[in-house]
Amino acid sequence: QIVLTQSPAIMSASPGEKVTITCSASSSVSYMHWFQQKPGTSPKLWIYSTSKLASGVPARFSGSGSGTSYSLTISRMEAEDAATYYCQQRSSYPLTFGAGTKLELK
Amino acid sequence: QVQLQQSGAELVKPGASVKLSCKASGYTFTTYYMYWVKQRPGQGLEWIGEINPSNGDTNFNEKFKIKATLTVDKSSSTAYMQLSSLTSEDSAVYYCTRSGYGTFAYWGQGTLVTVSA
Repeated sequence: QIVLTQSPAIMSASPGEKVTITCSASSSVSYMHWFQQKPGTSPKLWIYSTSKLASGVPARFSGSGSGTSYSLTISRMEAEDAATYYCQQRSSYPLTFGAGTKLELK
Repeated sequence: QVQLQQSGAELVKPGASVKLSCKASGYTFTTYYMYWVKQRPGQGLEWIGEINPSNGDTNFNEKFKIKATLTVDKSSSTAYMQLSSLTSEDSAVYYCTRSGYGTFAYWGQGTLVTVSA
């Protein structure tokens, strides 16, 4: 199965700071998807097909990458962005998720 | 709008089975695959399997092939997941999620399953 390794596992950022979360795949994938989850709530689709923002996602978010290396970037951190972010691939079964990156507000 | 309404929390004894439901609305039920995802307390997300509601075809994560059974009732636009031979390792929140945009586009609110004597 394709293992997705996210880094860092936990991080904190100050308001206005640029944030980058990376996701490394053990084998090449066609696309990477990202989900945001806040405590006690269901995950939400955040970025799909590597770089497309889901409905309602602020433009300060972006996604990029190819092959085995992908990233989610927040241009300027805001308080509402504090959450756990998961990457996910569906290029190969079983469908897999990264272990998550917990982003905290500093 | 697309909604996935999951059944309520379950407290079940070790060795028992439980059947969770996910009622879909706001779209044509048979058009989109339904997936199930497990999340243990404080842990990450794990794909259990998927079902094609139009014909009942399923595909599972090997890890859950014996544990989970996926079915649908087209007449009520409801997907079901039965979990068998429950142990403490099965205590988790289980989500149903509908396909879209090439991934898991819409999510239910989750069902908490607690396995305890």
